[in-house]
Amino acid sequence: GAVVSQHPSWVICKSGTSVKIECRSLDFQATTMFWYRQFPKQSLMLMATSNEGSKATYEQGVEKDKFLINHASLTLSTLTVTSAHPEDSSFYICSARQGAGEQYFGPGTRLTVT
Amino acid sequence: AQSVTQLDSQVPVFEEAPVELRCNYSSSVSVYLFWYVQYPNQGLQLLLKYLSGSTLVKGINGFEAEFNKSQTSFHLRKPSVHISDTAEYFCAVSNQAGTALIFGKGTTLSVSS
Repeated sequence: GAVVSQHPSWVICKSGTSVKIECRSLDFQATTMFWYRQFPKQSLMLMATSNEGSKATYEQGVEKDKFLINHASLTLSTLTVTSAHPEDSSFYICSARQGAGEQYFGPGTRLTVT
Repeated sequence: AQSVTQLDSQVPVFEEAPVELRCNYSSSVSVYLFWYVQYPNQGLQLLLKYLSGSTLVKGINGFEAEFNKSQTSFHLRKPSVHISDTAEYFCAVSNQAGTALIFGKGTTLSVSS
């Protein structure tokens, strides 16, 4: 099946710094990628949808200036958490799809802000 | 708007017992339904999906689910569970194939010997 990778798998950063998370589709071209956020023991909440070459569409309540999403190629999307704070600590999961096909999920990135 | 309700937050069962994880959805349009499994500190793995056709859907690892439109349900079942089935299970819905998914809050399945 299709494989989606995320890097890094976990990261610890200091409050006020920025962190970039990469999401890659390894064996298919992802026209659309989704970014989800998962708090401990809770469900996944969609943050934004990004189409290759276009600006991301953010869900209500998600700060686009804080969570910068770039989808510059058909195999790579990045999420940058700017000026991170402890409340941004979470598990971030991306998914990717080709056309109108199935979504494939990455393994997730655990962010801890100290 | 669509929503998903997973009726049980935790389901403890003994090994080799049958299990049912309940999921109800609400939607004003046609839906596509999914069940995913998440092991600790990992991403999501698709167990099965309903897009159209037969209402009984068989998935991986011996799981199956039945789409019941009149009851707006998509319950997940397995006739005999293993210790290795211990994980978090998420029911999800979308109104088109490939669009963003709306997830339920998850059900923790704990299988003990």
